[in-house]
Amino acid sequence: GQSLEQPSEVTAVEGAIVQINCTYQTSGFYGLSWYQQHDGGAPTFLSYNGLDGLEETGRFSSFLSRSDSYGYLLLQELQMKDSASYFCAVRSPGNTGKLIFGQGTTLQVKP
Amino acid sequence: NAGVTQTPKFRILKIGQSMTLQCAQDMNHNYMYWYRQDPGMGLKLIYYSVGAGITDKGEVPNGYNVSRSTTEDFPLRLELAAPSQTSVYFCASTTVAGGYEQYFGPGTRLTVT
Repeated sequence: GQSLEQPSEVTAVEGAIVQINCTYQTSGFYGLSWYQQHDGGAPTFLSYNGLDGLEETGRFSSFLSRSDSYGYLLLQELQMKDSASYFCAVRSPGNTGKLIFGQGTTLQVKP
Repeated sequence: NAGVTQTPKFRILKIGQSMTLQCAQDMNHNYMYWYRQDPGMGLKLIYYSVGAGITDKGEVPNGYNVSRSTTEDFPLRLELAAPSQTSVYFCASTTVAGGYEQYFGPGTRLTVT
């Protein structure tokens, strides 16, 4: 089976840096994705790591260590609009594009 | 492009009623998915389709049914609605190559009372 663990809540102040961790257990590994979801909205894709290392997209970066079955999302220069839920997801084996999502981490950014 | 569209946005059903949640995408994506999301939880896969005429069950298919007669449309049918089906339903799509990036519709908020 496949499962993902991430913290349920994280709080940080505006302008700070926050890291959201994700550990996974999978039968085969096909990449780790991150999604953002604002309250009442739809999930939107943020980043993808297929190989070890850091991927940077503006203020957001995502890291993967396949040997540790671990990844994280790093948000820099936090803004109030970054308050949202963040989900990590792994692809299922096979050519179906199916994703298995973690339970999500709610990030609250305070002034 | 409109992307992924879903109707209705909101719906209240009585126990035992049936309804169809509509989902359409105009990106020519082969792969489409239906998820449900309960409050404070992640997304659970209900059904998915890898192309017109091909559908398969996800993690939580009981009480639901789907069809995929065209590439664009992927409706979800609820038969005999139960309070446990109160949830937010999201439809998503992706390409064969970009399976790690799914495009989501705005969701349908369903309450069964």
